[in-house]
Amino acid sequence: IAGITQAPTSQILAAGRRMTLRCTQDMRHNAMYWYRQDLGLGLRLIHYSNTAGTTGKGEVPDGYSVSRANTDDFPLTLASAVPSQTSVYFCASSDYLPRTGAAGGEWSEQYFGPGTRLTVT
Amino acid sequence: AQSVSQHNHHVILSEAASLELGCNYSYGGTVNLFWYVQYPGQHLQLLLKYFSGDPLVKGIKGFEAEFIKSKFSFNLRKPSVQWSDTAEYFCAVNEDTSGTYKYIFGTGTRLKVLA
Repeated sequence: IAGITQAPTSQILAAGRRMTLRCTQDMRHNAMYWYRQDLGLGLRLIHYSNTAGTTGKGEVPDGYSVSRANTDDFPLTLASAVPSQTSVYFCASSDYLPRTGAAGGEWSEQYFGPGTRLTVT
Repeated sequence: AQSVSQHNHHVILSEAASLELGCNYSYGGTVNLFWYVQYPGQHLQLLLKYFSGDPLVKGIKGFEAEFIKSKFSFNLRKPSVQWSDTAEYFCAVNEDTSGTYKYIFGTGTRLKVLA
């Protein structure tokens, strides 16, 4: 079981170039997320997807786009990279857990990928 | 908006010392609470979680956390730290209502344990 895989592991990118970070999960989780991690700022949510076919904006969505064509894949695209997008990017997933014998449910903990270290020069 | 505060940004301890990392959240409703650990160069891994029931939650590697609803707190503790506990620790909250699928993270606490 791989869990969540991300590619590439690291990348140096010239400013103005387009880049897609890949994320794939094999757990059939409903929700997926993209975060960026910067020193002193912790994890900030870029975009999320509750289920295949839907996406939503997080805390820092500008300059990034996502798509969720199927359950397993959640690519993050930087249309025109800028140096301020230098960061470590983590993809994550979580699942909705129905309650046994009762209505409703709750979201599980998040499972994280190994990260992509991106440097924009 | 919901927020999570981790008061200690950097903590340095000697081996065998006791650890307590603070976490407070702002939301007044029902929440799910998490502590994650990130070892140097690695991704976040779950240490423990609280959904409901006993407010004292035990996790992996000897960690525990206590949910105190009246104080909106979920502090992480370990009686005796080891050098291998050197890592960054993140508290996170998820609101327990359908339709809200975001997790809010604190800014993290970097723990350094001296051998």
